[in-house]
Amino acid sequence: EPEVTQTPSHQVTQMGQEVILRCVPISNHLYFYWYRQILGQKVEFLVSFYNNEISEKSEIFDDQFSVERPDGSNFTLKIRSTKLEDSAMYFCASRDRGASTDTQYFGPGTRLTVL
Amino acid sequence: GESVGLHLPTLSVQEGDNSIINCAYSNSASDYFIWYKQESGKGPQFIIDIRSNMDKRQGQRVTVLLNKTVKHLSLQIAATQPGDSAVYFCAENSPSNTGKLIFGQGTTLQVKP
Repeated sequence: EPEVTQTPSHQVTQMGQEVILRCVPISNHLYFYWYRQILGQKVEFLVSFYNNEISEKSEIFDDQFSVERPDGSNFTLKIRSTKLEDSAMYFCASRDRGASTDTQYFGPGTRLTVL
Repeated sequence: GESVGLHLPTLSVQEGDNSIINCAYSNSASDYFIWYKQESGKGPQFIIDIRSNMDKRQGQRVTVLLNKTVKHLSLQIAATQPGDSAVYFCAENSPSNTGKLIFGQGTTLQVKP
């Protein structure tokens, strides 16, 4: 069964450093998302991406964040200058057709630890 | 504002019993709701969904009920098994139509053998 994959599973970085989190969505999917989950809290939406552009972003997704689909398979989240409060699990998700009611499938997540 | 919430942070049930996990949502314009299961250290796993034109949907051992009048969603798990132990989140799609999901706080289901 197709699945969303994410690398690395765990990333440790120093405050102020740049990190890139990588995702490979399900191959025929058209819509891509990043969410984050601070330990013990609910999952929060960061950004949605379609047709090579951001379709919606949250207040969390400030100028330090960016997303890119550099080729036909990868979808990346970059944090330019990490802060302590960026420590969280980051989940990538993807879905298929245009209707907003189609299921989003989540990857296993990348645990980001900012020291 | 946007919020989706669950009534209880933790639910403890005996193996073999039925479990009911509840969720209240606030946005009456939402038309799609999903239940996800999250095991420790893993991503949310899709369980079942329901559209707003339905009030009940059944899957394998799971049933989702939607009451739009009181904006309430529930997940029923029949014959709960130890493998059902996890955190369960309800989520609603945002009316923005980008597919953005708004998650609730989560209920931890503990299944006692």
